[in-house]
Amino acid sequence: ETGVTQTPRHLVMGMTNKKSLKCEQHLGHNAMYWYKQSAKKPLELMFVYNFKEQTENNSVPSRFSPECPNSSHLFLHLHTLQPEDSALYLCASSQGELSPLHFGNGTRLTVT
Amino acid sequence: EDQVTQSPEALRLQEGESSSLNCSYTVSGLRGLFWYRQDPGKGPEFLFTLYSAGEEKEKERLKATLTKKESFLHITAPKPEDSATYLCAVLPSSNTGKLIFGQGTTLQVKP
Repeated sequence: ETGVTQTPRHLVMGMTNKKSLKCEQHLGHNAMYWYKQSAKKPLELMFVYNFKEQTENNSVPSRFSPECPNSSHLFLHLHTLQPEDSALYLCASSQGELSPLHFGNGTRLTVT
Repeated sequence: EDQVTQSPEALRLQEGESSSLNCSYTVSGLRGLFWYRQDPGKGPEFLFTLYSAGEEKEKERLKATLTKKESFLHITAPKPEDSATYLCAVLPSSNTGKLIFGQGTTLQVKP
């Protein structure tokens, strides 16, 4: 069982829907991340939170809205998505920049 | 511009046939280089961190090495269970400090 849990595993949503992705880490890490993984492309950093504070927003469109209520939980709120947003969304945690990332198994998102 | 390139994109090996995966990087100073393994339907799993040229790390059939321009992941006598996508990521010394991932190498080992 991974130390980082993501739900749901699969999500299909229309372009006008609003949904949220959830991530929980049981590792006691200080930093949490959202990454986007599209076919044939490198992992793309979206957001970083350190001690619940957002420290990075990698020019992500406003239709993606992160929330970090505490150092163990991370959400990604989705609204008015586009078909090109279909991808695997990965959550990760770490103890800091030089520490390895621990990933969840991702949410496979399909926007119709 | 900081960049990470992995080659080959895909590699097919027979069981027991040793080979190497390459990760070339162009960054303004290197703080660390990471290797991950990703199985289908799962998130990446950490393998190694390398910090300076000349450093080597080993784990079972895998050995990672680092020079000033590239890293190699050597796979000795691979088994079918080594089939996966291997990702390389670089942490540059620039102010952004963001990990830069390569596109990955998908390895298939046939019995």
